[in-house]
Amino acid sequence: QVQLHESGPGLVKPSETLSLTCTVSGGSVSSATSYWSWIRQPPGQGLEWIAYVFYSGSTNFSPSLQSRVTISADTSKNQFSLNLSSVTAADTAVYYCARLNSGYFFDLWGQGTLVTVSS
Amino acid sequence: EIVMTQSPATLSVSPGERATLSCRASRSVSSNLAWYQQRVGQPPRLLIYSASTRASGVPARFSGSGSGTDFTLTISGLQSEDFAVYYCQQYNYWPMYTFGQGTKLEIK
Repeated sequence: QVQLHESGPGLVKPSETLSLTCTVSGGSVSSATSYWSWIRQPPGQGLEWIAYVFYSGSTNFSPSLQSRVTISADTSKNQFSLNLSSVTAADTAVYYCARLNSGYFFDLWGQGTLVTVSS
Repeated sequence: EIVMTQSPATLSVSPGERATLSCRASRSVSSNLAWYQQRVGQPPRLLIYSASTRASGVPARFSGSGSGTDFTLTISGLQSEDFAVYYCQQYNYWPMYTFGQGTKLEIK
């Protein structure tokens, strides 16, 4: 079955760029019904959608994060990636990659990776 | 901006009993609502979409209802593995996606 796995540094310094990659196994990033997303969850708090990318390169972003976020898909590697620039302690969270089914609901999630912003 | 409000924040129910969780949207989302379960240390898991359709593999004791602004997730015959945090999410206003703040279902 399709599985998602996040990877990237667990510690990022303030003002630097957080970079994460999600590897899709058992399926294809080029799926016509899948929008590949990032969602985050600060410790002890709720879920916040960040952005999505479609294999064609089409993207969409949360308005609150749009100015700092880039997202891309690499169909040759079956991966998609997130960059969040100018991070602060408020960006400390578990970051999940997820599949957005037909652009509507998140039907598949990675296990998540904790990213801490600290000097 | 659409706001999703879940109530109560914490719900205490005994195993075997029924739990009723609520989600309210600040304006109509039609039936474009999903529910997720998040156990401790785990990622969220899709339970319900289109307000009332169970996702693949979800037990029949989970049911969703509602449309417009008011939605309910009902869990009948609570089992130990059901005690978790539950989130609702609207997708009516895609490509913007909004989650509720969650309801923690705890053992009474």
